[in-house]
Amino acid sequence: LAKTTQPISMDSYEGQEVNITCSHNNIATNDYITWYQQFPSQGPRFIIQGYKTKVTNEVASLFIPADRKSSTLSLPRVSLSDTAVYYCLVAASGSARQLTFGSGTQLTVLP
Amino acid sequence: DSGVTQTPKHLITATGQRVTLRCSPRSGDLSVYWYQQSLDQGLQFLIQYYNGEERAKGNILERFSAQQFPDLHSELNLSSLELGDSALYFCASSVISGRGPGGELFFGEGSRLTVL
Repeated sequence: LAKTTQPISMDSYEGQEVNITCSHNNIATNDYITWYQQFPSQGPRFIIQGYKTKVTNEVASLFIPADRKSSTLSLPRVSLSDTAVYYCLVAASGSARQLTFGSGTQLTVLP
Repeated sequence: DSGVTQTPKHLITATGQRVTLRCSPRSGDLSVYWYQQSLDQGLQFLIQYYNGEERAKGNILERFSAQQFPDLHSELNLSSLELGDSALYFCASSVISGRGPGGELFFGEGSRLTVL
C-alpha cells in the first residue's frame, strides 16, 4: 500500500491559488491518485482523480509529475467555503483493496 | 447527496453496550467500506466488503464486526463499548468493477456514536 504524506495545515487568503502537495514515494504502477475534501462532521467528498500529467475539472486541477512520486492539488481563487481538510488517497483499481487515507491537510482560508 | 445512507445519525449509549450501525450503498455499488473518525483525527479504515464477502481488513477491533447482506446493505456491530469508541463512523461505497480508476468513494454523512 502506498503511504501518503501531506502537510498538516496550510493557511491562505481569499482569492489566492492554493497548492497542496502529497508525497507517495512507493506508488505502484496501477495506482491512481484521488483527492477528497472533508468539512467538519461530514463525509469526505471526491474532488479529482488522476493517473499522470494533469487533470482539470470545474473545481480543481491535479498535477502529477512523470515519476508519480508526488501529486499537487491546485485550488484556484479559494474562498472561505474552501476551508476544509483535504486528503490524498493512492489506490489501485480492483475489488480488494484497503483504502487508507493519510492524515490530511487542514486548509484555512482567511478573509 | 452522495446516495449513501447511514442510520442512525446520532447514537448515545453507555459503556459495555452493543450498537449496530447501518449503511445502504449507492444503487449499483457493490463495495462497502467502513471508517472510524475520532475527534480531530483522520479516517481509520476498518473493513471492506464486496458483493457480500469481506475483502480487506484494517484496524478493526475484535469487539467490532460487520457484514454485507444480499441486498448489499451493510451493518457494523460494535460491542462491549468503551469511552474511546466514541467517534464518527462513516460508510462509503464504490462500484469496483475491476476496471478503470480506483479509489473513488462515495461517503455517507456518518453515524456519530457517543459512549458515556
